[in-house]
Amino acid sequence: GAVVSQHPSWVICKSGTSVKIECRSLDFQATTMFWYRQFPKQSLMLMATSNEGSKATYEQGVEKDKFLINHASLTLSTLTVTSAHPEDSSFYICSARDPQRGGSSTDTQYFGPGTRLTVL
Amino acid sequence: AQSVTQLDSQVPVFEEAPVELRCNYSSSVSVYLFWYVQYPNQGLQLLLKYLSGSTLVKGINGFEAEFNKSQTSFHLRKPSVHISDTAEYFCAVSGPGGYNKLIFGAGTRLAVHP
Repeated sequence: GAVVSQHPSWVICKSGTSVKIECRSLDFQATTMFWYRQFPKQSLMLMATSNEGSKATYEQGVEKDKFLINHASLTLSTLTVTSAHPEDSSFYICSARDPQRGGSSTDTQYFGPGTRLTVL
Repeated sequence: AQSVTQLDSQVPVFEEAPVELRCNYSSSVSVYLFWYVQYPNQGLQLLLKYLSGSTLVKGINGFEAEFNKSQTSFHLRKPSVHISDTAEYFCAVSGPGGYNKLIFGAGTRLAVHP
């Protein structure tokens, strides 16, 4: 249980185009999902918290107009990198909590496999 | 504010040797602690977690960790490593009460050599 998927697993795009990344909870409903960015050989940096039915909460320094997040349903959150540039190339990882697990287990985040974005 | 320090960026070890990956945290409130493993080009997999109760936590793949409140540590251990344990390991902390953010350490690269 608690499986999170991401699509695509990797994407290459031209500078100036927009790219959409999907994050799905496959066997549970996630009211809250998280988007992280990971540079090579570095840790995960939280970009934003995605809440179903409301606006995402962005971390300081993250451009909300650059990284559009839509949590359209209880099983899907999308991250759109708008007008992508080479410096946006990174590994993007989403995670979700499973509120139905109950108790303190709700604090456990389950991670997707990540999406490698390369902007040429 | 909470923070996590992983004291070793890289840990080389021979196969079948024991290993300890160190993690210290700082927080003004009680915390939940996690260890995740990341294999190349993959997402994170939960190894184990401490939420409450026994301070010795056993996880998957033979790993265990001990929560030490007085030393604010949560070191990860395995008595005998395998080549397949080669990966990046991340320690993370979050506050209690649900829906709190995870704060990650910088990661420790475990390299197991034959």
